[in-house]
Amino acid sequence: AQTVTQSQPEMSVQEAETVTLSCTYDTSESDYYLFWYKQPPSRQMILVIRQEAYKQQNATENRFSVNFQKAAKSFSLKISDSQLGDAAMYFCAYGGGDDKIIFGKGTRLHILP
Amino acid sequence: NAGVMQNPRHLVRRRGQEARLRCSPMKGHSHVYWYRQLPEEGLKFMVYLQKENIIDESGMPKERFSAEFPKEGPSILRIQQVVRGDSAAYFCASSPVAGGNSPLHFGNGTRLTVT
Repeated sequence: AQTVTQSQPEMSVQEAETVTLSCTYDTSESDYYLFWYKQPPSRQMILVIRQEAYKQQNATENRFSVNFQKAAKSFSLKISDSQLGDAAMYFCAYGGGDDKIIFGKGTRLHILP
Repeated sequence: NAGVMQNPRHLVRRRGQEARLRCSPMKGHSHVYWYRQLPEEGLKFMVYLQKENIIDESGMPKERFSAEFPKEGPSILRIQQVVRGDSAAYFCASSPVAGGNSPLHFGNGTRLTVT
């Protein structure tokens, strides 16, 4: 069965600095998708970025980018120029052939002014 | 285009009562997923449904929990004879296709409190 592991329960970063959130996963599949979702205090789940496993190029969305290492089964999220509005829980997620999407336990990100 | 609509937003039930949580997917989405989130934890997969079919219910407790997604109307997650341990936020998500081919669109969740 696939698993998603986020080893950092909490992280803090100074406003305007860069922070990297870690995620590793376990799968025997070769074709799958990976996601980062953000959950602010409002509880709404917001898609941050999506990566297709067959694409070697790392996905980027404005200040958010990923470092996808397929062989190492690693999918970290880098947030550049951190802003106060980035404070939230961040969840890494995996979607594969069995059609369900599974989530890690999350990393709570604090932005220090 | 309205997003995923969940209601109620908050639901309080006494132990032993039934809880019914509703989810209307986005227009054009025929795939619905239910997740449970305990305080300070991630989202735990419960069930995946397509119209009129349960595709994967491997994350749903065998007793007291059931889900449906009828041809007409919203998807319903039903919890019978609720216990305090059922207190959690329940999220519904929908997508136009299965699996990771399309990102999930989430509702705002229903927070169930069992007293």
